[in-house]
Formats: sequence, structure tokens, C-alpha cells
Amino acid sequence: AQKVTQAQTEISVVEKEDVTLDCVYETRDTTYYLFWYKQPPSGELVFLIRRNSFDEQNEISGRYSWNFQKSTSSFNFTITASQVVDSAVYFCALSESRGGSEKLVFGKGTKLTVNP
Amino acid sequence: DSGVTQTPKHLITATGQRVTLRCSPRSGDLSVYWYQQSLDQGLQFLIQYYNGEERAKGNILERFSAQQFPDLHSELNLSSLELGDSALYFCASSVVAGGFTDTQYFGPGTRLTVL
Repeated sequence: AQKVTQAQTEISVVEKEDVTLDCVYETRDTTYYLFWYKQPPSGELVFLIRRNSFDEQNEISGRYSWNFQKSTSSFNFTITASQVVDSAVYFCALSESRGGSEKLVFGKGTKLTVNP
Repeated sequence: DSGVTQTPKHLITATGQRVTLRCSPRSGDLSVYWYQQSLDQGLQFLIQYYNGEERAKGNILERFSAQQFPDLHSELNLSSLELGDSALYFCASSVVAGGFTDTQYFGPGTRLTVL
């Protein structure tokens, strides 16, 4: 069965520190997609990134970067020079395309607090 | 703004009642997904519709049902409500279904409180 584990329940950092959010996944499929979503205190879920299982290139977008390692089934997310506005709950999710459904399986989330 | 709209934003009701949550997908998206977010269960997939047809079911209770209309908006009906149904209900939409995984964009959610 699919499973996503975000072992860090809560992380607290001081502004400008770098922080890495861990995500480990389990799947039997060779084709799958991984996602990160951000849920700020206002409650909405904001899409950050989608990565397919065949693309192991790391990705950087501004202060955000993602490290995908198939060998360890991990898809970690790093925020460089964190800011107070980065405070949110971050979810890692896994999708398999089966029978026409791409339902997402989410981890429990990591609550990040960035203090001024 | 994801382009997915959900109404109402908040809903307070009593046990035993029935409510309807509404979702309008992004323009051009054919798939609609419903998710429930609760403190104990986290974010869980409930059901997916694609172009008016049910495509997949998750851990959706029999008291819950959904449908997608010809204009592609979707409604989630929750009946015989219990205290444990209090949660944030999200709708998401994507362009396609089947053979290709598109990004799901989420609406702002409906917060349901059952008293």
C-alpha cells in the first residue's frame, strides 16, 4: 500500500536559518508522482511542486529546493534563508495512476514555525 | 487563488442533520476530488469524479455521497451528521484522469462544525 511518512511533526527555526523537511514514501509502482503542498494559517492548500518518478533531478525555485532520491524513497524539501511568511504546515503527497484515479496520499504534515 | 471555489466557507450544524458542500473546479478541469482533513485522520481522499462519472472512492462513509453535474461543479452531501464529521473539507480539481497524473489544485475548503 502507498504510504507517506513525514517524521518531523513540528520544526521551529529563527529567521534566515535553512530548514529541511523530510519525506519518505512507500509504493510498489514504478510510475508515480510526488508533490509538496503548503497550508498557511489561513487554511488553504497551496501547490508547490510535482515530480515524477523518472525525473531524479533536483529542483530549485528561489529559496525552495527539492531533493528526490529514489534509492532511499525520499523527497526532501529545503527552504533557504527562511522567512516568517514560510510559517505553515507542509504536506508531502504521493499519487499513483490506477484505474483512472490519481488520488493523493498525504503525509501527516510538518508544522514549520519561523520566528523573527 | 487556485481558481477552485468552494461554498460555504463555514458551516455549523447539529448532529443528525444533512448538509451540502459545493465545489466549482478550475475552468477546463474535468476531474474533481474531495478530501477530508481532521486532526486525528489527517488529509484523506474521499471520492473522485471525472466528467460526471464516479472514478474512484476512498474512505468515504455510506452517509456521505457526491455527484458531479453537467456543468462540472460538484456537491458533497453529508447526512446523519455526527460530532466526528467535524472537519475541513477540500475540493480539488485537475485537467485529466487516467494514465496521466496532473496537478490537483485545491479550493479554500469548507469548515464543518457539528454540535
